[in-house]
Amino acid sequence: SAVISQKPSRDICQRGTSLTIQCQVDSQVTMMFWYRQQPGQSLTLIATANQGSEATYESGFVIDKFPISRPNLTFSTLTVSNMSPEDSSIYLCSVESPLPRAGYGYTFGSGTRLTVV
Amino acid sequence: GQNIDQPTEMTATEGAIVQINCTYQTSGFNGLFWYQQHAGEAPTFLSYNVLDGLEEKGRFSSFLSRSKGYSYLLLKELQMKDSASYLCAVPGYNQGGKLIFGQGTELSVKP
Repeated sequence: SAVISQKPSRDICQRGTSLTIQCQVDSQVTMMFWYRQQPGQSLTLIATANQGSEATYESGFVIDKFPISRPNLTFSTLTVSNMSPEDSSIYLCSVESPLPRAGYGYTFGSGTRLTVV
Repeated sequence: GQNIDQPTEMTATEGAIVQINCTYQTSGFNGLFWYQQHAGEAPTFLSYNVLDGLEEKGRFSSFLSRSKGYSYLLLKELQMKDSASYLCAVPGYNQGGKLIFGQGTELSVKP
């Protein structure tokens, strides 16, 4: 299965600032997914990032708040802009990946735990 | 649209067996995933079912009934390290590969 390196693993940021999260995959993938997991909640998809085109955002998420870059088939960034305490969450990237006995599945980065103060 | 339901939390005893249920409603079906997520960590893949029946993998098994829109994850010989959140998820049908997650079941294993 694919291996994803995500950083930073955690950060504490001041409100009004921005944080860029990076994900590097050890193989070329067509789509990369960015999820948010608020405290005590399950994962919610923010957007899908394809190389060479603009990201596709889910309802409730906008490009101005969560700009995404996808410069090549192994790398993507998510920026959380103009942060407020409500943005305190874990942010995870994910890719579709071959998995043993499953054909395919989804592998996740280790996550970025963001606290906005 | 899609809707996935699973219990919010469960408690079980070390060495016991626990079954975590998941019901889903989807406009199409491309299989069902179970993930395990320990606190503060990323989800890790447990199982994938696309055909009806039981898939066994060591202490963990997963069952699917497509006609009933129902799956369960069965954990045997529970260990303290099995305390985690268990997430049921389905790929969005014709939605570009994204995963739709249930709210997760927080399992606490007691000695």
